[in-house]
Amino acid sequence: NAGVTQTPKFQVLKTGQSMTLQCAQDMNHNSMYWYRQDPGMGLRLIYYSASEGTTDKGEVPNGYNVSRLNKREFSLRLESAAPSQTSVYFCASSSRDRGQDGYTFGSGTRLTVV
Amino acid sequence: GENVGLHLPTLSVQEGDNSIINCAYSNSASDYFIWYKQESGKGPQFIIDIRSNMDKRQGQRVTVLLNKTVKHLSLQIAATQPGDSAVYFCAESPGGFQKLVFGTGTRLLVSP
Repeated sequence: NAGVTQTPKFQVLKTGQSMTLQCAQDMNHNSMYWYRQDPGMGLRLIYYSASEGTTDKGEVPNGYNVSRLNKREFSLRLESAAPSQTSVYFCASSSRDRGQDGYTFGSGTRLTVV
Repeated sequence: GENVGLHLPTLSVQEGDNSIINCAYSNSASDYFIWYKQESGKGPQFIIDIRSNMDKRQGQRVTVLLNKTVKHLSLQIAATQPGDSAVYFCAESPGGFQKLVFGTGTRLLVSP
């Protein structure tokens, strides 16, 4: 099915470990995003990529890096995980067209840092 | 600064009732708004959107109202069903589709 695919779905890290969250979309969208969602809060933008080859910081970029590997894939890397990065991470993609298929989210990665 | 907030963190209704979820936004430059539904363990799911040149838009059992004068957005769900139980988020696009700003969410609980 068309959409945004995130891997892994769950991950437990020890403080200081590194990992990369993967995201891929098959809707030919130009823009891709990484959000984090903490309990009782809305989604906060970490980084985004307006188009292939560009990335920009969002609201909460500290402790993260991103790579727009190609038009389909946008990865999020934690170089040295901290307990404060325990959260649910959502990837999204968008086209210039608004509407139901204009801005689509993946199902999330639940990350726990101990 | 940009802020999208909700008046009620939790809304409890009976099955069959109509539900109204409210959202306030602060950026008068926002020209596009979306309501999302998020079920437990899932990503946000698009419900309905509205552009700033409209004040009302209807979908299947849902209606979004936009009052730009007071920067207020609402989502009305008709004949609420247990399957509507979820957290609902409003999001605004403050200039350019690419940067959505989300509110904190309202949890809707529907009792049979």
